Amino acid sequence: GAGVSQTPSNKVTEKGKYVELRCDPISGHTALYWYRQSLGQGPEFLIYFQGTGAADDSGLPNDRFFAVRPEGSVSTLKIQRTERGDSAVYLCASSLLAGVRTDTQYFGPGTRLTVL
Amino acid sequence: GQQVMQIPQYQHVQEGEDFTTYCNSSTTLSNIQWYKQRPGGHPVFLIQLVKSGEVKKQKRLTFQFGEAKKNSSLHITATQTTDVGTYFCAGMNRDDKIIFGKGTRLHILP
Repeated sequence: GAGVSQTPSNKVTEKGKYVELRCDPISGHTALYWYRQSLGQGPEFLIYFQGTGAADDSGLPNDRFFAVRPEGSVSTLKIQRTERGDSAVYLCASSLLAGVRTDTQYFGPGTRLTVL
Repeated sequence: GQQVMQIPQYQHVQEGEDFTTYCNSSTTLSNIQWYKQRPGGHPVFLIQLVKSGEVKKQKRLTFQFGEAKKNSSLHITATQTTDVGTYFCAGMNRDDKIIFGKGTRLHILP
C-alpha cells in the first residue's frame, strides 16, 4: 500500500510569509506525528495527534506554529510569519495504534522548507 | 532538559569491518527505537527495545538496551556498502516524550 506522503516536497518562501505543509498518513493509521529536522541533526518532535486531537503539542517552538487534523486523516502544519530559522525538513510520520507511542512510526519523505 | 547523546558523530570504516554506534540518555527511558536514514531519504524504523538488558538481532545488526535503560548500542558486523547512512536512536522517556539523538553518519570505504 501507499506510504506516508507529504506535499509539497520543496517550499521556498520569503521571511514573514505564511506556509502550509500537508501530510497524508498511511490509510487507517490513527496516530500522526510532525517532526522538524535541521541539517546534521536528528528529527525534533513538534506535535502528536491521536485521531483528530493533538495529544501532545509540547514540541511546537512558538505560537507561529499550528497543526490540524480535522478528520483524523490528513494533517496540515501551518507556520505564520516565517523566519529564516524555520528553514528545515519537516517530516511527518504515522503509526497504526493511537495511545501507544511505542508503535512503529512510518516516516514520509518530508517537505524541505527554505525561508529566504 | 533531557538529552539523548549519540557517539560517534561520524564513522568511516572499510567495507567488511564492524561498526558500532552508542546512544546515551540523561534519564531512564521507557523504550528506545533505532532508525536508519539514507542520504537524501527519510528515517526508516529498524527496531524497538523495551526490556532492560534486551538484545535483538537482525541479520548483521545487533541492538542492545542497557540494564539501567539509559543507554543502547547498534552493532553492524561485516559492513557492506548498503549500510551507508545515518543511524538514529530515539528514546521515549517516562512522560512519553520521544527524543532523537543527532545520529551517527556511517561511511563505507571500498
